[in-house]
Amino acid sequence: GAVVSQHPSWVICKSGTSVKIECRSLDFQATTMFWYRQFPKQSLMLMATSNEGSKATYEQGVEKDKFLINHASLTLSTLTVTSAHPEDSSFYICSARDMGNSGNTIYFGEGSWLTVV
Amino acid sequence: GQQLNQSPQSMFIQEGEDVSMNCTSSSIFNTWLWYKQDPGEGPVLLIALYKAGELTSNGRLTAQFGITRKDSFLNISASIPSDVGIYFCAGQKGRNNDMRFGAGTRLTVKP
Repeated sequence: GAVVSQHPSWVICKSGTSVKIECRSLDFQATTMFWYRQFPKQSLMLMATSNEGSKATYEQGVEKDKFLINHASLTLSTLTVTSAHPEDSSFYICSARDMGNSGNTIYFGEGSWLTVV
Repeated sequence: GQQLNQSPQSMFIQEGEDVSMNCTSSSIFNTWLWYKQDPGEGPVLLIALYKAGELTSNGRLTAQFGITRKDSFLNISASIPSDVGIYFCAGQKGRNNDMRFGAGTRLTVKP
């Protein structure tokens, strides 16, 4: 199946700093990517929809200035957590929509663990 | 966004038993997807369903897109220990293919 890669897999950063997470579709083009946050033993919570070449669409309650999303190419979207605080520590997952032969299917990245100390 | 109603929340079964889980909604969906998530990893697509009534198998897994387009089920036959994980259903609807997730079914298989 199609492959979506996230980097880094895990990151530890100091409180107040910013950290960037990348999401790449490796073998298909994705005009739309999605960013999720997942707390332990809970389902995925959609944070925002990343649209190639335009602004991201954020879900209600998600701070746009804190979670910056950039979708500069058809294979890359980035999530930057700005001025990170310990409560931002979480598992962040991206997904990408494959509009090609797969028939409009969503594939997920491996996830990125963020720990803010 | 609004979640799908996925049940059961958790299952504890003996190796070799069959498993069934389902997702329902009050809305109509264009696509149903089933994913499995292992701890600390991203969800992996198991089965994708694109037509109402569609029945699709992937090894020991079978999933169906409900006729009403408001539900889907996933069956796992002859479970094995590596089936342990969280299974999520997801539905896509509308012109923008808005996606909604179930809360997940946590499966434990006892050897």
